[in-house]
Amino acid sequence: QVQLQQSGPGLVKPSQTLSLSCAISGDSLSSDGVAWNWIRQSPSRGLEWLGRTYYKSKWVTDYAFSVKSRLLITPDTSKNQFSLQLMSVTPDDTAVYYCTRGWEALLFWGRGSLVTVSS
Amino acid sequence: SYGLTQPPSVSEAPGETARITCGGNNIGRKSVHWYQQKPGQAPVLVISYDRDRPSGIPERFSGSNSGDTATLTISRVEAGDEADYYCQVWDTSSNPVVFGGGTKLTVL
Repeated sequence: QVQLQQSGPGLVKPSQTLSLSCAISGDSLSSDGVAWNWIRQSPSRGLEWLGRTYYKSKWVTDYAFSVKSRLLITPDTSKNQFSLQLMSVTPDDTAVYYCTRGWEALLFWGRGSLVTVSS
Repeated sequence: SYGLTQPPSVSEAPGETARITCGGNNIGRKSVHWYQQKPGQAPVLVISYDRDRPSGIPERFSGSNSGDTATLTISRVEAGDEADYYCQVWDTSSNPVVFGGGTKLTVL
């Protein structure tokens, strides 16, 4: 059974960087054709896909248009985890952030991390 | 970008059949996935690829997809089915993972 364990601070100041990690057990980050995603949820935006990373002969990362200029998703094969860094945050980035596994259907989800952007 | 439209709320009495729709342009040509989310919990995949049930999902949950509408059907609704339900597609023309706005199912 795949399990995703999220970690990171729950409070970030405006203009700073929001950082979260997602540790994987029961699967390998480098599994061919498997995508590892970050999704967030807020009352104003609903469920919003942010980006993904996957290995297909090389590492590939895709980002949502809305955050592309501020988002970095990085794989760490030594720790079997992947991370999210969202830069220059504003209160509008306050949300529950989820890491998930899946290419089309998202079968496995982390428990979610509430991140509040506030001074 | 591709848009998905869901009714904000659906209500049904216990034992009845609840139908939650998800509208999108030619959605019948895409694969639709459905998630159930209870308060304070992560979404759970209940239907994948229009009509497949992941392991552990009751047979009462079924799905269909044709034309401009996909439908999640919950037969013999129970109090434990009360939750928010989201449809989702994979779209190659915009962000690959697109969610509907969600439908709150209330069991009367």
